[in-house]
Parts: sequence; C-alpha cells; structure tokens
Amino acid sequence: GAGVSQSPRYKVAKRGQDVALRCDPISGHVSLFWYQQALGQGPEFLTYFQNEAQLDKSGLPSDRFFAERPEGSVSTLKIQRTQQEDSAVYLCASSSMGPETQYFGPGTRLLVL
Amino acid sequence: KQEVTQIPAALSVPEGENLVLNCSFTDSAIYNLQWFRQDPGKGLTSLLLIQSSQREQTSGRLNASLDKSSGRSTLYIAASQPGDSATYLCAVRSNSGYALNFGKGTSLLVTP
Repeated sequence: GAGVSQSPRYKVAKRGQDVALRCDPISGHVSLFWYQQALGQGPEFLTYFQNEAQLDKSGLPSDRFFAERPEGSVSTLKIQRTQQEDSAVYLCASSSMGPETQYFGPGTRLLVL
Repeated sequence: KQEVTQIPAALSVPEGENLVLNCSFTDSAIYNLQWFRQDPGKGLTSLLLIQSSQREQTSGRLNASLDKSSGRSTLYIAASQPGDSATYLCAVRSNSGYALNFGKGTSLLVTP
C-alpha cells in the first residue's frame, strides 16, 4: 500500500478485556515501531522490530503488553487484561534501513472503560 | 534517558507571520533529529530530518536547524498560513538505539 495502515481505528474495551491492534507497514520496510501516545503528550516508544526479530522491547509498560511480527511484515500489538491507564492512541511506524525517516500510520485510539 | 523539551507549548499567530518553534534535548550523542506535524485525530507526518552531521534542512517554507553541542533545534516557518495549524513534534534518535524520543509538541494556530 501507499502508507502505513492500522486497524481498528477505534477500539472501546471493558476493563479486563484483551485487545489486539494490527499494523500493516509500507511494503519492503524492514523496521517497524510501536509507540503509545497519551492525550496531550508526545508519543512514547514501546517496541522495535527488524524484520521478524524484536530487537528492543524496553518501552513495553508491563507484561500485559505483547507484540509480534512473525513473518517480518504485519505486526500485532496485544494488550491483555486492559486497564484504564492503557487508554491512549497506539501508533505504528515503519522505515527502511539506514538513516531513515519513520513513516507513521493513523493510529488506533483505544478507550478502556 | 534522552529528554526532549519543546517551547512554547502553544502559539497563536496571525496569517503571514514568520515564526520559530524550539526544541532542546539533554544528550548530544544523537543520530538524527526529526520534525513532525500532527493534525487532530491523525498520525504523524514527517517534515524534515536532520542527520547529526548536518546543520540545517529546508523544505519549502520550512527550515530546521540543529546545534548538537548546545542540544537545540529550531523549526522556522515562513509566511505562516491557516493550513499550518497543527501540533509540531520534535523527535530525537540517539546513537544508542533505534527509538525516537519525542517532545510534548507545540500546538500552533494560525488565524486568518
């Protein structure tokens, strides 16, 4: 596709529910990033993949957060037992190798009630 | 941890004015610095990327400068237009990793 796509665009979950957020990167992009953006804040790094390898997951806030990219293309961010503090916009970005620009998707807005 | 600060948090200017947005960072060991634009409810659009070896980048009415030694970058917008209204985010990639560290952004309103 022409850009990074994410689905769903909006998700409302009841506290304690599990959610899965999908990211389709730009075709051929090796690097994939997940960020979390709380209201009024800048995005915060969650995790980074190079192809299918998760090279950095230092930003994941708890073990309830899990990300995968099994075939080095599409990625899924899963949040188990959602809490109200998980409410945020989850942004996915992809880039090619080298001193690259990161291209961002439109984000998934998650609201946990 | 790299800390990125943007000043001002919000700015309102009349159409046609030139303006400067400021970004500062605490660790000068950076790989690159990027300026993004974010419209309400939308993702981020990359405006300019400056590599650590560069001093500035220009694109149309936008000019971004980088002073690594002082930990500062500025985004200059010439002849502002109402369509420039958005939140502008500064992001730094450090030498030690791949992640971008973002500031909280400057919310810009350009009035007709």
